Amino acid sequence: GENVEQHPSTLSVQEGDSAVIKCTYSDSASNYFPWYKQELGKRPQLIIDIRSNVGEKKDQRIAVTLNKTAKHFSLHITETQPEDSAVYFCAARTDKLIFGTGTRLQVFP
Amino acid sequence: KAGVTQTPRYLIKTRGQQVTLSCSPISGHRSVSWYQQTPGQGLQFLFEYFSETQRNKGNFPGRFSGRQFSNSRSEMNVSTLELGDSALYLCASSPGGQNNEKLFFGSGTQLSVL
Repeated sequence: GENVEQHPSTLSVQEGDSAVIKCTYSDSASNYFPWYKQELGKRPQLIIDIRSNVGEKKDQRIAVTLNKTAKHFSLHITETQPEDSAVYFCAARTDKLIFGTGTRLQVFP
Repeated sequence: KAGVTQTPRYLIKTRGQQVTLSCSPISGHRSVSWYQQTPGQGLQFLFEYFSETQRNKGNFPGRFSGRQFSNSRSEMNVSTLELGDSALYLCASSPGGQNNEKLFFGSGTQLSVL
């Protein structure tokens, strides 16, 4: 079955810097790759997603890139702000949505 | 539109007991998925229901079961509870169908097994 690995597990950046979180997946049949943000004590919320027929997608300060050949995808956050501090989860879907283990992002003012 | 509702919010049980968790999806959503969240393990897939049928299942023992009703509400049951079952159980709903798989999560049920 699908396996998703996510790195790093923790990431600390200064406000205004960029943050990059990387994920790899094992099943080449995966065709949908969402990213979820979970703030402390809250539910995970979808922030951006990409399908396998697209290489890159951008939404304001957030972008996701997908390399199907290498089976990896990344989340890029530019101009980070303290409110970006949260745990971020990547996921990949074939017949079911499998999540990575999460990245705790801390943005220091 | 109301969001995904999970009840109860907190549960404390002892080893060997059983527990039932409930999830009401967003109106019109036909798919409900369940995940177990523990520190360091992320979100682990339990199962997915669509139109009252289990569509997919994760790698959990048979003590974990679920069902979905005709109104799309879902329940998850864990029998013979173990200490390691302590976790946040999240359910998520989606419209279902092709290219309609965005998940909307509930706030979860925090289960503590003593």
